[in-house]
Amino acid sequence: KNQVEQSPQSLIILEGKNCTLQCNYTVSPFSNLRWYKQDTGRGPVSLTIMTFSENTKSNGRYTATLDADTKQSSLHITASQLSDSASYICVVSDRGSTLGRLYFGRGTQLTVWP
Amino acid sequence: EADIYQTPRYLVIGTGKKITLECSQTMGHDKMYWYQQDPGMELHLIHYSYGVNSTEKGDLSSESTVSRIRTEHFPLTLESARPSHTSQYLCASSEGSSGWEVTDTQYFGPGTRLTVL
Repeated sequence: KNQVEQSPQSLIILEGKNCTLQCNYTVSPFSNLRWYKQDTGRGPVSLTIMTFSENTKSNGRYTATLDADTKQSSLHITASQLSDSASYICVVSDRGSTLGRLYFGRGTQLTVWP
Repeated sequence: EADIYQTPRYLVIGTGKKITLECSQTMGHDKMYWYQQDPGMELHLIHYSYGVNSTEKGDLSSESTVSRIRTEHFPLTLESARPSHTSQYLCASSEGSSGWEVTDTQYFGPGTRLTVL
């Protein structure tokens, strides 16, 4: 069964600290993996997209890594800010064709305290 | 900021009422989607469209219906709302020509939070 599991479910950190969010998936065949940020009451916004051949992708203070062999991805946030408080969602695509679909994780709820 | 809009943002309505959730995008994207999301849970695809006059059901069965008469507009209708329909509904669009290619990034609207009493 194709699944996307994220951990931790929730996380509280102090402003300025770093953190790492995890995503494990069983989706096969793998096409690409995306990290989205969803602010409360808003729609998700894409942060990074990685294909099978990519190990890391950065977007400002966000750095995503991918290990396609172990089917794991992480999202590292550096020097956290209050505005980083949001849900971070891992999304995996199983193929790049019209038959493919997206598998969504439940997200990690990150809270940054001053 | 993506140019995709949803109205209303919040809707509280009684059981049995007919409702239409509006979604429009000004990016000229052919593909549009409707997702349902409950608090703390993953997004579930309920409808999608590849273009005008194209509509397909998603992975999660839904009593709602959609239409795609114009490229920019993808409304969702519930003929008779029930408390079980209480949820957040997210509309999205993408420019990819097929499937879920790397370039097929979805842009989401702000969502409509529906409460059926």
